[in-house]
Amino acid sequence: EPEVTQTPSHQVTQMGQEVILRCVPISNHLYFYWYRQILGQKVEFLVSFYNNEISEKSEIFDDQFSVERPDGSNFTLKIRSTKLEDSAMYFCASGQVSNQPQHFGDGTRLSIL
Amino acid sequence: GESVGLHLPTLSVQEGDNSIINCAYSNSASDYFIWYKQESGKGPQFIIDIRSNMDKRQGQRVTVLLNKTVKHLSLQIAATQPGDSAVYFCAESYGNNRLAFGKGNQVVVIP
Repeated sequence: EPEVTQTPSHQVTQMGQEVILRCVPISNHLYFYWYRQILGQKVEFLVSFYNNEISEKSEIFDDQFSVERPDGSNFTLKIRSTKLEDSAMYFCASGQVSNQPQHFGDGTRLSIL
Repeated sequence: GESVGLHLPTLSVQEGDNSIINCAYSNSASDYFIWYKQESGKGPQFIIDIRSNMDKRQGQRVTVLLNKTVKHLSLQIAATQPGDSAVYFCAESYGNNRLAFGKGNQVVVIP
């Protein structure tokens, strides 16, 4: 069964550094998402991406964050000048069409020191 | 508000019994609802979804019920198995792709 894959599984970064989280969505999916889950809290929406542009973003997704689909298979989340409070699990998801099930990867655990 | 919440933090159930997990939502405009299962170290795994024009949908061993009058969603798991032990999240969507998740409900299956 096709699945969303995320790398790395764990990323440790010094505060203030830039980090790029990578995702390979399911190949025939057209909608791509990033969510995060701070330890002990619920999953929060960050951004959705369709047709090579951001379709929606949450209040969390400020100028520190950016997304890119650099080629036909990868979908990346860049966090500039990381802060301690950016430590969380970051999940990538993809969907075939709007309002169909979003399928999630197993996440990247980001630890900011 | 636009919150989705779960009533019970932990549900312990005997293996073979049925499980019911409840979820309340507050946004009457929500038109799509989905249940996910999350095992330790894994991402949310799709279980079943339902649209607002339905009140019941069945899958394999799972049933989702939607009561729009009281803004309530439930997940029923038949003949609960040890592999069903996980955290279960409900999520809602309202007119766009954004999913709003609840806090999660831990299900523990007792062999």
